Amino acid sequence: RKEVEQDPGPFNVPEGATVAFNCTYSNSASQSFFWYRQDCRKEPKLLMSVYSSGNEDGRFTAQLNRASQYISLLIRDSKLSDSATYLCVPWSFQKLVFGTGTRLLVSP
Amino acid sequence: GAVVSQHPSWVICKSGTSVKIECRSLDFQATTMFWYRQFPKQSLMLMATSNEGSKATYEQGVEKDKFLINHASLTLSTLTVTSAHPEDSSFYICSADQGKGNSPLHFGNGTRLTVT
Repeated sequence: RKEVEQDPGPFNVPEGATVAFNCTYSNSASQSFFWYRQDCRKEPKLLMSVYSSGNEDGRFTAQLNRASQYISLLIRDSKLSDSATYLCVPWSFQKLVFGTGTRLLVSP
Repeated sequence: GAVVSQHPSWVICKSGTSVKIECRSLDFQATTMFWYRQFPKQSLMLMATSNEGSKATYEQGVEKDKFLINHASLTLSTLTVTSAHPEDSSFYICSADQGKGNSPLHFGNGTRLTVT
């Protein structure tokens, strides 16, 4: 089983849409979780940390379900600038583990 | 805060030559830095973990004699790709740990290496 699994997409949505990404992780000992976004040919940039109680940052909401080892990211009112690959990243074995991410394409 | 600078941003070199990539933490001290590699349409793969003042820990399948890592100070780690070959062409990214527990890492802007 892969350490991190995400639907690679791409998810094609119109501007203004609400879109959700899911992620599962295999290491139940993971203690911290993050969502990063990566633009084409660029380095990953931290989008937000994910807390057990769920957290929101503007149009972005992250949820964590430790029992199911499942993380989600909800983006409301999608903007063209949200087009990117979204990476769910747990801290596992003293390092960040990256999956392939989910690609989002927001169109006018 | 937590700025990581990586140089060069891109480099083209001939097969057989060596290339050095620098990763600096500009406004914090990083006891640990990580080196990743990303091939097109693939995920970031951790190559090695670099600890200041000690030998790097390499991931399985990464040749330590080919990818030399030096972490001589708390703000600088270098990755040298020795005797580069076309299959080493990739996007190399470093990240630095502020040492605040399981805090998020901050990444350098990456180095795109093309070996001809």
